[in-house]
Amino acid sequence: DIQMTQSPSTLSASVGDRVTITCRASQSVNRWLAWYQQKPGKAPKLLMYNASTLKSGVPSRFSGSGSGTEFTLTISSLQPDDFATYYCQQYHNWYTFGQGTKLEIK
Amino acid sequence: QVQLQESGPGLVKPSETLSLTCTVSGASISIGGYYWSWIRQPAGKGLEWIGRTYIGGSTNYNPSLESRVTISADTSKNQFSLYLNSVTATDTAVYYCARDPGGGSGANWFDPWGQGTLVTVSS
Repeated sequence: DIQMTQSPSTLSASVGDRVTITCRASQSVNRWLAWYQQKPGKAPKLLMYNASTLKSGVPSRFSGSGSGTEFTLTISSLQPDDFATYYCQQYHNWYTFGQGTKLEIK
Repeated sequence: QVQLQESGPGLVKPSETLSLTCTVSGASISIGGYYWSWIRQPAGKGLEWIGRTYIGGSTNYNPSLESRVTISADTSKNQFSLYLNSVTATDTAVYYCARDPGGGSGANWFDPWGQGTLVTVSS
């Protein structure tokens, strides 16, 4: 199994801040990585796939980078709607998710 | 616009079988080369892939659940279903159905997702 580890688990930030979430894989997943946003009581929503391809309609303040075992999700200027939990997911070898990063208002 | 909707009992007794159905609207599950998956999330925890089906092809399961899981499809109703037997309290979770676009490496991202349904295992 490929294990996915996100850091930090919780991130406190303010509107307008630039934030970065890291996702590390226990072995290389090439660029087969997706990012999701989940709000309380809702299903996850796809933000990005293939490490850096933004899903159509997702704001351009979201960006992704990385390959191999280390990946980042960056939000360039936090908006009130961005406070949520974010998950990474690898699909190099079946599917596994990170444990999530909760983005809180400071 | 493709939409997925889970349905099924919200309460299942220990040792019994959990049965859920995902109804797909806006697209045929038989067309397009998609994989149709089930994913679950215990309260306050992360996401776990359960398994997937490819209409006219194979069905694959998470090895950690494989001995207890069956996923099947009814193309006439445009639905696919999850059966998880011998449930215990640790199977209590929100269960989601989701679509994997297929192609590429054989596994991909999930989009869209159903809204999810809470299943509680309790006597």
